[in-house]
Amino acid sequence: EAQVTQNPRYLITVTGKKLTVTCSQNMNHEYMSWYRQDPGLGLRQIYYSMNVEVTDKGDVPEGYKVSRKEKRNFPLILESPSPNQTSLYFCASSFLGLAGYNEQFFGPGTRLTVL
Amino acid sequence: AQTVTQSQPEMSVQEAETVTLSCTYDTSENNYYLFWYKQPPSRQMILVIRQEAYKQQNATENRFSVNFQKAAKSFSLKISDSQLGDTAMYFCAFMKGNNDMRFGAGTRLTVKP
Repeated sequence: EAQVTQNPRYLITVTGKKLTVTCSQNMNHEYMSWYRQDPGLGLRQIYYSMNVEVTDKGDVPEGYKVSRKEKRNFPLILESPSPNQTSLYFCASSFLGLAGYNEQFFGPGTRLTVL
Repeated sequence: AQTVTQSQPEMSVQEAETVTLSCTYDTSENNYYLFWYKQPPSRQMILVIRQEAYKQQNATENRFSVNFQKAAKSFSLKISDSQLGDTAMYFCAFMKGNNDMRFGAGTRLTVKP
């Protein structure tokens, strides 16, 4: 089954304790991205990746890191989480065409609470 | 930068009635895509309908249809014969060809029995 998986689905942590949220897709997609969803703000892009070893900042990258060592995985790293990073996080992936539409497939979301 | 505005934070509709959710966007691009996503309580993002900007015909998917006004930069979603399962948060989204996607703040729709 074609899917995007995220782990963990729920996480409660404390300020300053490093954490990683994993994202994996089995569709051989080149493009992957991370979003955070906050009430009244919709989804905002944190980082995206066009392919292996190619990453770039989205609209709200502060406090986050990413890596793309393998095509299927795109982990989101919070080196020193703070309470303002409490949010719902989504990973998404798609093919990367030069033209035309490429549907983005979303993971199930990760609810993160930083105390 | 592209922006997407959903001016209705919350809406409600009676079961079997019709409801329209509004969305406006701002862009200088000529070629782009517009989407409506549904997010039920499970939080999964579900694609409801999409519209290619180069197509003049409004997209339709069963009970869901859009009114795409390119000149006015408006992209509303009409849900006909509303069902209880339509209760969800709805997000309007804009995407350029390079996969850069922007979302609106969302409209919480409640379908009442």
